Amino acid sequence: AQKVTQAQTEISVVEKEDVTLDCVYETRDTTYYLFWYKQPPSGELVFLIRRNSFDEQNEISGRYSWNFQKSTSSFNFTITASQVVDSAVYFCALSGNTPLVFGKGTRLSVIA
Amino acid sequence: EPEVTQTPSHQVTQMGQEVILRCVPISNHLYFYWYRQILGQKVEFLVSFYNNEISEKSEIFDDQFSVERPDGSNFTLKIRSTKLEDSAMYFCASKLRERETQYFGPGTRLLVL
Repeated sequence: AQKVTQAQTEISVVEKEDVTLDCVYETRDTTYYLFWYKQPPSGELVFLIRRNSFDEQNEISGRYSWNFQKSTSSFNFTITASQVVDSAVYFCALSGNTPLVFGKGTRLSVIA
Repeated sequence: EPEVTQTPSHQVTQMGQEVILRCVPISNHLYFYWYRQILGQKVEFLVSFYNNEISEKSEIFDDQFSVERPDGSNFTLKIRSTKLEDSAMYFCASKLRERETQYFGPGTRLLVL
């Protein structure tokens, strides 16, 4: 069965601090995809990134970076120099031969 | 940029009433989904739809639920007789091909009284 674990329920940081959101997954599929979605207070789900299981290259997009390590089944998300607008719930999700399975989310609060 | 739209944004209904949640997926997408999120909890898969039929459904998607693609653009979720525990945010999603990213609509917040 597919499973996504986000052990951090809530994180609070002061603006400009760096923060890493952890995601650990379980799957028996040999090919799978990992995702991060952002859910701001308004409630919508905003797609951030998709990663294929065969591509372990880390990715950077502006202040966001992702570290995918198959050896530890982790797909962690780092926000550099956090801003108040980053405050949201962040979901990690997994898809193999099944629909998306979401983690429980990490609520990030960035304090000015 | 194309996006998934959902109507209504909010719906309040009485227990036992039928509700229909509507979605317009991205126009050239072929795979459609409904998910729900009970307040403060994770997003859960309900059903997937492809080629005019249900391709997969979860345990949550019981006989009270149905989906339909009545025309070339809309994708609906019907709850026949709502229960208090159906109160949640319902998200529609679509994607172009099998191993592509799902894009989510803004959600419909359903409150059953």
